[in-house]
Amino acid sequence: ETGVTQSPTHLIKTRGQQVTLRCSSQSGHNTVSWYQQALGQGPQFIFQYYREEENGRGNFPPRFSGLQFPNYSSELNVNALELDDSALYLCASSTGQGIPYEQYFGPGTRLTVT
Amino acid sequence: AQSVTQPDIHITVSEGASLELRCNYSYGATPYLFWYVQSPGQGLQLLLKYFSGDTLVQGIKGFEAEFKRSQSSFNLRKPSVHWSDAAEYFCAVGPNTGNQFYFGTGTSLTVIP
Repeated sequence: ETGVTQSPTHLIKTRGQQVTLRCSSQSGHNTVSWYQQALGQGPQFIFQYYREEENGRGNFPPRFSGLQFPNYSSELNVNALELDDSALYLCASSTGQGIPYEQYFGPGTRLTVT
Repeated sequence: AQSVTQPDIHITVSEGASLELRCNYSYGATPYLFWYVQSPGQGLQLLLKYFSGDTLVQGIKGFEAEFKRSQSSFNLRKPSVHWSDAAEYFCAVGPNTGNQFYFGTGTSLTVIP
């Protein structure tokens, strides 16, 4: 069974640029959630995708957007990068909307905005 | 509003000593509660979860946690800490409707020989 993978591992961007982060969900999982973890903080929920549709969003501006593909992999796109976007971005997959459910996290992508 | 509080930012314990990490939550309904561990540069690994039933739950790596509704707490315990337990620990509350998980700010554990 393949776990959750994320790419790239690290990324350095300049303020104002755009970035795309990628996540492959665990086999058999159709739901992907994205989190932002700033240094010294807990993960903050960005949004969730279920069967290719956005299925809930946290308190993040529209310049944070996403996609989920038919194979349930996902992308997180951030436009007009700001310095405060520097963080570890975590992807988590789960089996779906059934409650209760567990999330399995990937290793994260470390984004640095200069 | 839903929230999770981990009062201890950093804890240091001696190897072999017992450990308790505190977690308090605010949630409007029956919560689903989780403890995760994060090693440096890594993602989060699930230690244990509480959904219903027995309020004392067992997890991996010898950890356990007790749900106390009256105190809105879900404290993590381990009777004897190993050096490899040094990491960041996060408590989280999950939804019984919707899909948003709320994480605490974490407790950093240092284990000294």
